[in-house]
Amino acid sequence: AQSVSQHNHHVILSEAASLELGCNYSYGGTVNLFWYVQYPGQHLQLLLKYFSGDPLVKGIKGFEAEFIKSKFSFNLRKPSVQWSDTAEYFCAVNTGFQKLVFGTGTRLLVSP
Amino acid sequence: GAVVSQHPSRVICKSGTSVKIECRSLDFQATTMFWYRQFPKQSLMLMATSNEGSKATYEQGVEKDKFLINHASLTLSTLTVTSAHPEDSSFYICSARDPYSGGDEQYFGPGTRLTVT
Repeated sequence: AQSVSQHNHHVILSEAASLELGCNYSYGGTVNLFWYVQYPGQHLQLLLKYFSGDPLVKGIKGFEAEFIKSKFSFNLRKPSVQWSDTAEYFCAVNTGFQKLVFGTGTRLLVSP
Repeated sequence: GAVVSQHPSRVICKSGTSVKIECRSLDFQATTMFWYRQFPKQSLMLMATSNEGSKATYEQGVEKDKFLINHASLTLSTLTVTSAHPEDSSFYICSARDPYSGGDEQYFGPGTRLTVT
């Protein structure tokens, strides 16, 4: 079965620090990859997605992610985080039939 | 962007009763909706795929007689938890796929917190 691993469960950063959240998936075929964010008290929102083409994907709010097929990874990055980035971040994989498999999530706390 | 609503946002029910949760796509027609369950500090687990006009497809281990799904229109899917027990207490989230969005993006509702006493 497909699975998604997010290595960091909790991350604490100061404002302006750089962020990288790891995501690895287990599936040998074609995948669509997503990062979702859930701000406190809000619903899941799409940050960015990768279907094909340029493996470096840019999303909203200055986030980007790089798909490295050989490493089965899709890490999320942001050069300089803000307090408003405090949220929970979920990596997800779509392997077909529209189903999404989610990672366990990473809680990010950005201190001002 | 596309908006998905859920009702109610919170519900408390007694053990043995049934509770219905609604999921609506507000500004688009969704031929496919998904129901997830999220336990505290855990990820979202797909329960079932709801297809308009046909039977839902349940994931392995999900009791279809306990979690009844109805997708009667292109904008509404309902999840009914029948004969609820305390172990059914959880956060239930629906999502809807906009077939015209140009991708496999799903739009998520705000979730429903179910507490069974």
